[in-house]
Amino acid sequence: ETGVTQTPRHLVMGMTNKKSLKCEQHLGHNAMYWYKQSAKKPLELMFVYSLEERVENNSVPSRFSPECPNSSHLFLHLHTLQPEDSALYLCASSQDPGGTSTDTQYFGPGTRLTVL
Amino acid sequence: AQKVTQAQTEISVVEKEDVTLDCVYETRDTTYYLFWYKQPPSGELVFLIRRNSFDEQNEISGRYSWNFQKSTSSFNFTITASQVVDSAVYFCALSSSRAGKSTFGDGTTLTVKP
Repeated sequence: ETGVTQTPRHLVMGMTNKKSLKCEQHLGHNAMYWYKQSAKKPLELMFVYSLEERVENNSVPSRFSPECPNSSHLFLHLHTLQPEDSALYLCASSQDPGGTSTDTQYFGPGTRLTVL
Repeated sequence: AQKVTQAQTEISVVEKEDVTLDCVYETRDTTYYLFWYKQPPSGELVFLIRRNSFDEQNEISGRYSWNFQKSTSSFNFTITASQVVDSAVYFCALSSSRAGKSTFGDGTTLTVKP
């Protein structure tokens, strides 16, 4: 595998379910990101991790819980979501250890989430 | 605060036409970085270019070219002789160390018709 991978690619869940999105980067980068992309809305930065520490939490509801066990893996744990949380969730990674995003971000293919 | 404006929401051209996607940015920082990404229907954002604020040289890569003008705070992207495979959403983005994160424009949807 190369680049940034995300699983699953598609996910349908009910509002009471608990699920997790997984992201893995094979680029040796230090920073990882979660973005939300809703239809007709701009990209929204959710979380930034740098060297496995969270450096940015962009006022995201607590029903979204990130986890970064090491610099190559990033998870987004989901519970009691709402239909308006349906969106494309994109993971990205970059070299910069500060997580300042001044280095190029490389994106995964995204997980298309539908909340019923 | 940083801001990126992509005023063109949708553009439609016929194959082989040239097309320019506009990007205007706002920042108070003197050191910053500008990016363009392409998002095809598959969903993944593909990196196209990164420029820093001190490098105003225009760049050409195949059919793609970028025009960076600090005086007008613009970083426009031109596709020459467009092809159907160029159909995608294109995002311009801005980042700086002081801001600590990237700011993306709303994107321009380009449709190239055969």
